[in-house]
Amino acid sequence: RKEVEQDPGPFNVPEGATVAFNCTYSNSASQSFFWYRQDCRKEPKLLMSVYSSGNEDGRFTAQLNRASQYISLLIRDSKLSDSATYLCVVNLETRNQFYFGTGTSLTVIP
Amino acid sequence: AAGVIQSPRHLIKEKRETATLKCYPIPRHDTVYWYQQGPGQDPQFLISFYEKMQSDKGSIPDRFSAQQFSDYHSELNMSSLELGDSALYFCASSREGTGDPYFGPGTRLTVL
Repeated sequence: RKEVEQDPGPFNVPEGATVAFNCTYSNSASQSFFWYRQDCRKEPKLLMSVYSSGNEDGRFTAQLNRASQYISLLIRDSKLSDSATYLCVVNLETRNQFYFGTGTSLTVIP
Repeated sequence: AAGVIQSPRHLIKEKRETATLKCYPIPRHDTVYWYQQGPGQDPQFLISFYEKMQSDKGSIPDRFSAQQFSDYHSELNMSSLELGDSALYFCASSREGTGDPYFGPGTRLTVL
């Protein structure tokens, strides 16, 4: 079983819509959580770290639920430029590596 | 702000040749990670270094080796290249304690 599971989508939403992605992780010792976006053939770019209290950055809100072992990303007022693959990334306390989900593909339609 | 630098950006090799990929982390970052991403796949962890010592190991083939040097840059050495080694190779760096990893632009390796 993969350390991190994501719904690969694709999610096709109209401009201005709100879309949410969830990601589950299997190891309760997971320590750090991140959302990255990756555009085709480019490197993953850090979108936001996910804190226990949740955090918000403009149109983006991330939440962590340790009891249920999932993290979420909410995108409000979707823009065409939000079209990308969103990767959920988790780091274990005992390992010095980051585990990636398979990514969720988002296409925002005019 | 300075980012992670990788070189070369593109590399074409023949089967059974060797390749060396270089990674220069963000200044003051002491941890380097190597990932391999095949077409349509998520990044797969290869190996990481902290303070010039190997700190974790993933699905890195025995034909590959890596190290981190005194200036914290890292090199991934790949020998006896196979067609299946064709992929994007990303390097990421972070600062111990802070943790947020930042990725370089990647090296696209094509093995013919």
